[in-house]
Amino acid sequence: QLQLQGSGPGLVKPSETLSLTCSVSGGSISSNYYWDWIRQPPGKGLEWIGSISYSGATYYNPSLKSRVTISIDTSTNRISLRLNSVTAADTAVYFCARRWLYYGLWGQGTLVTVSS
Amino acid sequence: DIQMTQSPSSLSASVGDRVTITCRASQDIAGSLAWYQQKPGKAPKVLLYASSNLESGVPSRFSGSGSGTHNTLAISSLQPEDSATYYCQQYYTTPFTFGQGTKLEIK
Repeated sequence: QLQLQGSGPGLVKPSETLSLTCSVSGGSISSNYYWDWIRQPPGKGLEWIGSISYSGATYYNPSLKSRVTISIDTSTNRISLRLNSVTAADTAVYFCARRWLYYGLWGQGTLVTVSS
Repeated sequence: DIQMTQSPSSLSASVGDRVTITCRASQDIAGSLAWYQQKPGKAPKVLLYASSNLESGVPSRFSGSGSGTHNTLAISSLQPEDSATYYCQQYYTTPFTFGQGTKLEIK
């Protein structure tokens, strides 16, 4: 059964770069799906960060586009997120999710706190 | 961006009740709407997609309806485990957007 497991530092300093990885296990990254990152600030709603296809085509939220990079490594079944120049407003739980139209499979979420 | 507005923001109901949550889009999303349930500390779980299609394994007491800009999630015969926050999401166009959430409390 396919599972998504997010990982990465739980604490990032302001102005630095947030880096997270989503590992796909129990199967391989399929060309039939997109792989997205979504975040949720504590006590708040969900915000779509961006998406990547199996072939590497990316789509970003315009509100974050200048700071975000999503990449995919099909040889290791991993999707990565980098968010530059973080501030306290980037403190959130970051989810990776598999999308075929809608999100049918989610990772467990990784809490990232931006603080000095 | 397409704005998704849910109402109410919160509601309280008893076991066995029927409740409805409304989601309005700022433009026609042609039925490209999903509903999610999120419990504290957990990732969201899809309930319905394409406005009214029940995801496999989801109890039939959950149903969805609507088209255009107006969609509704109904939960009939509420169960204690339905206590959660519910989100709608449009996947009609990027940036994909979510409603602000509706917190459902079971009395």
